[in-house]
Amino acid sequence: EADIYQTPRYLVIGTGKKITLECSQTMGHDKMYWYQQDPGMELHLIHYSYGVNSTEKGDLSSESTVSRIRTEHFPLTLESARPSHTSQYLCASHRTGYGYTFGSGTRLTVV
Amino acid sequence: GENVEQHPSTLSVQEGDSAVIKCTYSDSASNYFPWYKQELGKRPQLIIDIRSNVGEKKDQRIAVTLNKTAKHFSLHITETQPEDSAVYFCAAANQAGTALIFGKGTTLSVSS
Repeated sequence: EADIYQTPRYLVIGTGKKITLECSQTMGHDKMYWYQQDPGMELHLIHYSYGVNSTEKGDLSSESTVSRIRTEHFPLTLESARPSHTSQYLCASHRTGYGYTFGSGTRLTVV
Repeated sequence: GENVEQHPSTLSVQEGDSAVIKCTYSDSASNYFPWYKQELGKRPQLIIDIRSNVGEKKDQRIAVTLNKTAKHFSLHITETQPEDSAVYFCAAANQAGTALIFGKGTTLSVSS
């Protein structure tokens, strides 16, 4: 089924660890995004990509990096996790002029 | 850049009543306005959207209206049901494909 997939769903890690949150979509969308959201709260744009080898920082880069080597894959990396990174991370994709499809999210806890 | 304001932040209604959520945007170039519903513990889901060449759009019990002159758009839910309880987000973007800018969300509670 064409959709957007995020792994892992839940992750608990120690402070200082490096982690990568995975996001893949099978819809052929050129545009992909990462948002940070505390449950039920505002969606903060972290990074976005309008195509392969194109990445931009959003309003809240949260000390993370992204890459877009393939159209379908848009991983988010935290080089050194901190307790302030504890949140839910949502990946989304879309075609120009249409609404986003969101992934189910990764709920990250940094202890 | 674009800024989207959403009101109210919380809304409580009785089952069967109507609910209205309003958003204003700042960038006159914005011409795509979607609405998302996020149930507890789930991902946001697109429920309806409107483009700037249309003033109103309906889908069963939900409708969206757009006033380009005043730069505001609204979500209307009629005959509310308990399953309408969720957080609703409005958003705006220009159709060139820039990132959606979201409002801060409205928590709608429908009591039976």
